[in-house]
Amino acid sequence: AQSVAQPEDQVNVAEGNPLTVKCTYSVSGNPYLFWYVQYPNRGLQFLLKYITGDNLVKGSYGFEAEFNKSQTSFHLKKPSALVSDSALYFCAVRRTDSWGKFQFGAGTQVVVTP
Amino acid sequence: ETGVTQTPRHLVMGMTNKKSLKCEQHLGHNAMYWYKQSAKKPLELMFVYSLEERVENNSVPSRFSPECPNSSHLFLHLHTLQPEDSALYLCASSQDREGPILFFGSGTQLSVL
Repeated sequence: AQSVAQPEDQVNVAEGNPLTVKCTYSVSGNPYLFWYVQYPNRGLQFLLKYITGDNLVKGSYGFEAEFNKSQTSFHLKKPSALVSDSALYFCAVRRTDSWGKFQFGAGTQVVVTP
Repeated sequence: ETGVTQTPRHLVMGMTNKKSLKCEQHLGHNAMYWYKQSAKKPLELMFVYSLEERVENNSVPSRFSPECPNSSHLFLHLHTLQPEDSALYLCASSQDREGPILFFGSGTQLSVL
């Protein structure tokens, strides 16, 4: 079985401040880990992924995430948030040997205020 | 047209109606997915197709019936739905069954009255 927890329904941050969106996961075996973003009235867009190798992964729009195996976490970070980063963010996991079965979290709403 | 296209964007139906959602991908991918998105809940994987093989979530009611006539098209046939089926239905594709990145359509917002 696999699961993803995003403990915060909403994160509020002022523009220019650092942004962190938390994600922890549970999976038997080796994971692929992902972050997706959803803007209003749109589908999810891929931001970044961890497959193997370097624990710090850089993605689109200045976002990065750090894979921490001991804490089973994959937190999303951005050093300086923009108002345009306001959106719904989803963490997802998939076992490397389990095709098709992506497990998503419930999402975290990010609100960046000017 | 590029990407993953879903039609219609919005659908309102009664509980006795029969309707279908359509998804088309223009990415040359070989795997397609249906997800259900309800507010404040994890995305629920409903069905996955890859090269005529299907994986399904056993908790999905039989009133939802998928069809994948080829690698570019995916349908979700709906009949005798319940109000709790109201949600955003998202289609996605990946390069192949191992492909780690999903490409999503904009979804069909379904309301069941």
